[in-house]
Amino acid sequence: KQEVTQIPAALSVPEGENLVLNCSFTDSAIYNLQWFRQDPGKGLTSLLLIQSSQREQTSGRLNASLDKSSGRSTLYIAASQPGDSATYLCGAQPHYGQNFVFGPGTRLSVLP
Amino acid sequence: DAGVTQSPTHLIKTRGQHVTLRCSPISGHKSVSWYQQVLGQGPQFIFQYYEKEERGRGNFPDRFSARQFPNYSSELNVNALLLGDSALYLCASSLEQGAHEQYFGPGTRLTVT
Repeated sequence: KQEVTQIPAALSVPEGENLVLNCSFTDSAIYNLQWFRQDPGKGLTSLLLIQSSQREQTSGRLNASLDKSSGRSTLYIAASQPGDSATYLCGAQPHYGQNFVFGPGTRLSVLP
Repeated sequence: DAGVTQSPTHLIKTRGQHVTLRCSPISGHKSVSWYQQVLGQGPQFIFQYYEKEERGRGNFPDRFSARQFPNYSSELNVNALLLGDSALYLCASSLEQGAHEQYFGPGTRLTVT
């Protein structure tokens, strides 16, 4: 059974810092991994999707990597801004056609 | 293009009552999944529907049921509500059952008193 954890649970940084969020999964036989952003009380906004054959994806100031052998994914945010403040969730899709298993999220606060 | 829409936005119910939540997927998307998110936790998978058939079910009691209509919209029904059913209910759509990316709606906040 796939289980997903995220460290740290919460993170507070000053504006402009580069930061890394971590996601770990127990079963390396992963199909896809997707990073999401969630603002308080809102739905999930997709940030990056890494397919099983890929090692990383980039979008603007965001870069996500996937290391299946170690069961880890990282989300790198460059030059953080107060608008980046949100909860960041990673979801692992164990097999084709199966639904995502989510971690508990990392709550990020970027201070102006 | 409109994204995934859900209704209602907020709902307050009493223990023992029944509730119906609704979801409209992105146009052209045939798969709809439902998730429950309790405060402070990640979403937990409840159901997946594809082409009007149930294709997956999470570890939820039989009080939870769902269906998908010919236009691919979906309903989630919960009977005999418990306090513990209070949560944000999220709907996600994808192009096909095994499609890579899921797109989420804004959710329905259910409060059971």
